[in-house]
Amino acid sequence: NAGVTQTPKFQVLKTGQSMTLQCAQDMNHNSMYWYRQDPGMGLRLIYYSASEGTTDKGEVPNGYNVSRLNKREFSLRLESAAPSQTSVYFCASSTRDSETQYFGPGTRLLVL
Amino acid sequence: QKEVEQNSGPLSVPEGAIASLNCTYSDRGSQSFFWYRQYSGKSPELIMSIYSNGDKEDGRFTAQLNKASQYVSLLIRDSQPSDSATYLCASLRSNDYKLSFGAGTTVTVRA
Repeated sequence: NAGVTQTPKFQVLKTGQSMTLQCAQDMNHNSMYWYRQDPGMGLRLIYYSASEGTTDKGEVPNGYNVSRLNKREFSLRLESAAPSQTSVYFCASSTRDSETQYFGPGTRLLVL
Repeated sequence: QKEVEQNSGPLSVPEGAIASLNCTYSDRGSQSFFWYRQYSGKSPELIMSIYSNGDKEDGRFTAQLNKASQYVSLLIRDSQPSDSATYLCASLRSNDYKLSFGAGTTVTVRA
């Protein structure tokens, strides 16, 4: 099992460009999450999906959209990137909300 | 006030010593707590979970929970250079069952 995979690993964008971060898990988990990690801030939840077909906002959803394409895949889209979105983005999954979350390797995004 | 607060560190300990990491949380209704280890440039990985007051031991790691004081700690005994990492404390919020993470404590084990 690959666990949680994310693409791309690194990305440089110019302000105003758009991109989609991809996440997939092969653990048959129901819940999936997108976090961002900034120095001194810990992990902050952007969006989550409790099950296929449902998505909800987390702590810092502004500037992002998500799609739960199927049970395996949960994508994060930046419609118009801003320098404030420079961060490391982690996708995670769990069997359900209260259970252990397993993290992907992360995507390092730089917005110029 | 942050929901989960940790000593920012860095914490430097000699090899073989005990590293002690502390965490406080503000949600009195939280029932589940987690310690994640994150190596530089890598993703967080779960090392301990604790749900009841008292101590929970797993190898060289001991998690301690005191719900009355809203305090969680992690002890790393016989610290090894491979323990050098950032340790993230997390609590499961009682209102929406989502994790709140602290900013992390960076531990360096000196050989």
